[in-house]
Amino acid sequence: TQLLEQSPQFLSIQEGENLTVYCNSSSVFSSLQWYRQEPGEGPVLLVTVVTGGEVKKLKRLTFQFGDARKDSSLHITAAQPGDTGLYLCADGGAQKLVFGQGTRLTINP
Amino acid sequence: EAGVAQSPRYKIIEKRQSVAFWCNPISGHATLYWYQQILGQGPKLLIQFQNNGVVDDSQLPKDRFSAERLKGVDSTLKIQPAKLEDSAVYLCASSHGLNYGYTFGSGTRLTVV
Repeated sequence: TQLLEQSPQFLSIQEGENLTVYCNSSSVFSSLQWYRQEPGEGPVLLVTVVTGGEVKKLKRLTFQFGDARKDSSLHITAAQPGDTGLYLCADGGAQKLVFGQGTRLTINP
Repeated sequence: EAGVAQSPRYKIIEKRQSVAFWCNPISGHATLYWYQQILGQGPKLLIQFQNNGVVDDSQLPKDRFSAERLKGVDSTLKIQPAKLEDSAVYLCASSHGLNYGYTFGSGTRLTVV
């Protein structure tokens, strides 16, 4: 059974700071997806990465997929209060999503 | 495009009672998923439908949970009888299929007291 471990579990920083959160898998990802979930809502897809070493940017968010396709990082530049939420990584293989436990991010004004 | 609709948004029941959740996926999405998200954890797949057939229900506690997707559109998830540990958010998601993005509903927050 694949295990996805995300770190840190909780992160609280001030507006304007930079941050990085991590996702590590016990086995090679089929495809890696990052989601953001706000309180009272379902997860919303941010990005899908498939190729080892791939880097994708979404405004102030940079997603990096490890060369061995077993780890990923999400870097946020100049964090804003609107970035607050639960960040989940997931493996999209076998026609179903397997999620990590998430990183709960709080950006303080 | 309308999103995935779920109801109710909140439900509080006593243990040993029964409860049902409803999901209406995005029109045309053949694949429908029910996930359970316990506080502080990531979502865990309970059951996956492809049209009206079950693809994966390996993590569904079948002694108390049941789900159906009649006519390959709407779906209901039922718990009978509920236990305290069933307190969680139940998320429904739909997708065109493999390699397509998932769209999640807002979920139903169940509290069992």
